[in-house]
Amino acid sequence: EDQVTQSPEALRLQEGESSSLNCSYTVSGLRGLFWYRQDPGKGPEFLFTLYSAGEEKEKERLKATLTKKESFLHITAPKPEDSATYLCAVQRSNDYKLSFGAGTTVTVRA
Amino acid sequence: DVKVTQSSRYLVKRTGEKVFLECVQDMDHENMFWYRQDPGLGLRLIYFSYDVKMKEKGDIPEGYSVSREKKERFSLILESASTNQTSMYLCASSAGPKLSYEQYFGPGTRLTVT
Repeated sequence: EDQVTQSPEALRLQEGESSSLNCSYTVSGLRGLFWYRQDPGKGPEFLFTLYSAGEEKEKERLKATLTKKESFLHITAPKPEDSATYLCAVQRSNDYKLSFGAGTTVTVRA
Repeated sequence: DVKVTQSSRYLVKRTGEKVFLECVQDMDHENMFWYRQDPGLGLRLIYFSYDVKMKEKGDIPEGYSVSREKKERFSLILESASTNQTSMYLCASSAGPKLSYEQYFGPGTRLTVT
């Protein structure tokens, strides 16, 4: 069974204080690892897909990296509008389904 | 932009009622999904469909059924609502196997069963 573990559960940051979120995974034949952002009461918003170890993707203050066992989402110089829950999900090869982690809730204070 | 819409943002139903949740996507995606999201349990897949009239059970299909008569529309049916089905329901869609697999989510329906 696929397992996705995100840490920490919650992260409180000062504006400008960079940090990283971790997503550890166990999956038989990874096709892709996905990062989503979710604001309270809304659906998840797609951020990145990573397909192979060593791959990196960036969007504004966010940068996602992938190794064979985990992925990191780095938040550089965060702003209050980066406050959200960040979800990680994995997909097996030849499968439509995603398995999600429980998420990391990030709060950025001005 | 991909757009996934859900018929209601908030819904309150009584125990035993039949409940229909509708989802529509406008990107001609082959795959559509229904999840529920509960605090501490994350997103759990209920059912998915990879083509019109095709469906597969996800991780927690008990108490639910689905219908996909048209490519753009995927309905989730609670045959007899129970209080343990109070949850946030999220619909998603993704393009077929030859294209990217990213799932795009709707805004969610918060269902309360009393």
